[in-house]
Amino acid sequence: NAGVTQTPKFQVLKTGQSMTLQCAQDMNHEYMSWYRQDPGMGLRLIHYSVGAGITDQGEVPNGYNVSRSTTEDFPLRLLSAAPSQTSVYFCASSYYPRSNYGYTFGSGTRLTVV
Amino acid sequence: EDKVVQSPLSLVVHEGDTVTLNCSYEVTNFRSLLWYKQEKKAPTFLFMLTSSGIEKKSGRLSSILDKKELFSILNITATQTGDSAIYLCAEETSGSRLTFGEGTQLTVNP
Repeated sequence: NAGVTQTPKFQVLKTGQSMTLQCAQDMNHEYMSWYRQDPGMGLRLIHYSVGAGITDQGEVPNGYNVSRSTTEDFPLRLLSAAPSQTSVYFCASSYYPRSNYGYTFGSGTRLTVV
Repeated sequence: EDKVVQSPLSLVVHEGDTVTLNCSYEVTNFRSLLWYKQEKKAPTFLFMLTSSGIEKKSGRLSSILDKKELFSILNITATQTGDSAIYLCAEETSGSRLTFGEGTQLTVNP
């Protein structure tokens, strides 16, 4: 049981490049989400999904796209990277609509945009 | 978006001390209040609180929620150097959305 797996762990991009951050979970969780963590700002919700084929925007969705074609995977796409997207990105999952066990987080992707 | 405020933002104590971390939140569509511990990598789940006045306890850590005054506290007794971490508080609202506070950076010195 691997939990929530994020790849890559580190990435450096040039401004304007695109990339996909991968997130996979093996706990059969319906709910998956992406957060970014910046110094002094806590974690902020980017996008989330309550099941395959269903996605919605969070607090800071601009510049990011998501899709959910399977229960296990929830990739986050940066179409044209900007320095403001330099951050640590976390994927989290849980049972839906209710979990008494909180949300399980992946180990994060540290992204630097130069 | 609801706002979650944690205090203090930073705390330095000696091993054996007891600490109290604070978290206040707003009430729109409240479902639960969660506490996480973050060391180098992923936040790890500590507690989920949904009912007011009921203490959750795990070893030296405990937490309680006050839904009338809209706050929660996390207590750590007999602190150890391994307790050094960022402690995050998050409000869960309907739709499974989490709003996090900035976190409290706890440093426990030997």
